[in-house]
Amino acid sequence: AQSVTQPDIHITVSEGASLELRCNYSYGATPYLFWYVQSPGQGLQLLLKYFSGDTLVQGIKGFEAEFKRSQSSFNLRKPSVHWSDAAEYFCAVGHYNNNDMRFGAGTRLTVKP
Amino acid sequence: IAGITQAPTSQILAAGRRMTLRCTQDMRHNAMYWYRQDLGLGLRLIHYSNTAGTTGKGEVPDGYSVSRANTDDFPLTLASAVPSQTSVYFCASSDSIGNSPLHFGNGTRLTVT
Repeated sequence: AQSVTQPDIHITVSEGASLELRCNYSYGATPYLFWYVQSPGQGLQLLLKYFSGDTLVQGIKGFEAEFKRSQSSFNLRKPSVHWSDAAEYFCAVGHYNNNDMRFGAGTRLTVKP
Repeated sequence: IAGITQAPTSQILAAGRRMTLRCTQDMRHNAMYWYRQDLGLGLRLIHYSNTAGTTGKGEVPDGYSVSRANTDDFPLTLASAVPSQTSVYFCASSDSIGNSPLHFGNGTRLTVT
């Protein structure tokens, strides 16, 4: 079965600084990849997804992610972080149906003023 | 506002008691899911339903049951709660099983004492 590793449990960045959250996956075929964001007390919201095509995908709130097959990675980036980006971020990998989707353990982002 | 409604928001439950977590969606999505979220483990799929009248087991189904009598409702039942079922439970839906984005409710925080 597929699996996802998010190596960073907690990251702190200053407001206005760039951000990169790491995600590595394990899957034998071409994966479907997702990033979700969770604000405190809320459910998860989709930021972006990759199914095929251009390996650099754009999402909501100024986020982007790049699929690198050779590195089995799907890192999330943002050029300039805002205080409202403080949240928990989850990477997920799936196959052709959502019943197989696996989530990473999450990375909590703190934004310093 | 369209979306997923979960009830209750939180609950403290004595071990051995029966509990049903409610989930209702008004988006007419075919597929629905129950996840549990535990610190350090991310989200793990408990049960899913690809369409009304069908259900399936996810990654961690033991101790839980579900039913899908109609499109909108997908209750999760703990027949005899145990402390290891203390968790935050999220209901989600998607308009197809083919890796379309998941829409999440705001979760139910359950504590089993």
